[in-house]
Amino acid sequence: NAGVTQTPKFQVLKTGQSMTLQCAQDMNHEYMSWYRQDPGMGLRLIHYSVGAGITDQGEVPNGYNVSRSTTEDFPLRLLSAAPSQTSVYFCASSYSRHAGGGAEAFFGQGTRLTVV
Amino acid sequence: DAKTTQPTSMDCAEGRAANLPCNHSTISGNEYVYWYRQIHSQGPQYIIHGLKNNETNEMASLIITEDRKSSTLILPHATLRDTAVYYCIVRATGLSGNTPLVFGKGTRLSVIA
Repeated sequence: NAGVTQTPKFQVLKTGQSMTLQCAQDMNHEYMSWYRQDPGMGLRLIHYSVGAGITDQGEVPNGYNVSRSTTEDFPLRLLSAAPSQTSVYFCASSYSRHAGGGAEAFFGQGTRLTVV
Repeated sequence: DAKTTQPTSMDCAEGRAANLPCNHSTISGNEYVYWYRQIHSQGPQYIIHGLKNNETNEMASLIITEDRKSSTLILPHATLRDTAVYYCIVRATGLSGNTPLVFGKGTRLSVIA
């Protein structure tokens, strides 16, 4: 199993450009989510999905779109990049239900995005 | 908003037990306590979770008070590789599935040689 794979690892964008951050998992997890982490801060939830065709907003959804057409993939789209979106982005996946409430989340290694 | 309160930072001598406290005074009956850690700039790593009973695994022990308003994560023999930010998270689970993981600022643990 590869786990959670994020691509690219690094990206520099110009203000106003659009791009898609890719996230794929091979563990057949229903639950996938995107977080951003600014320097010295904790992770903030952007969007999440409890299964194919279902997405919902997190704490900081503005400026980002997501879709979930397959169980394996959960891409994050930046529509018009802004310097405020400079951050490290993490994707995570887990089972949506688990006996005893446990649903260990697996995180990717992150995409480091700089918007200039 | 995060539902937990943790100290900003802690130090621990190598080889000693690291005890990381967490306050979650507004925890509900269907909410579990989870702990994750983040080493340097890597993706967070799951450590342990519990509801009301104490839990132990190969990484750590979780002690939850009887009223469930606070908990302590114990790393029994801290090593330099345990230096990380530790996040305590409360998360509900129900018939419709688990709620998202919402991270606070965590505790920065420094293990000192």
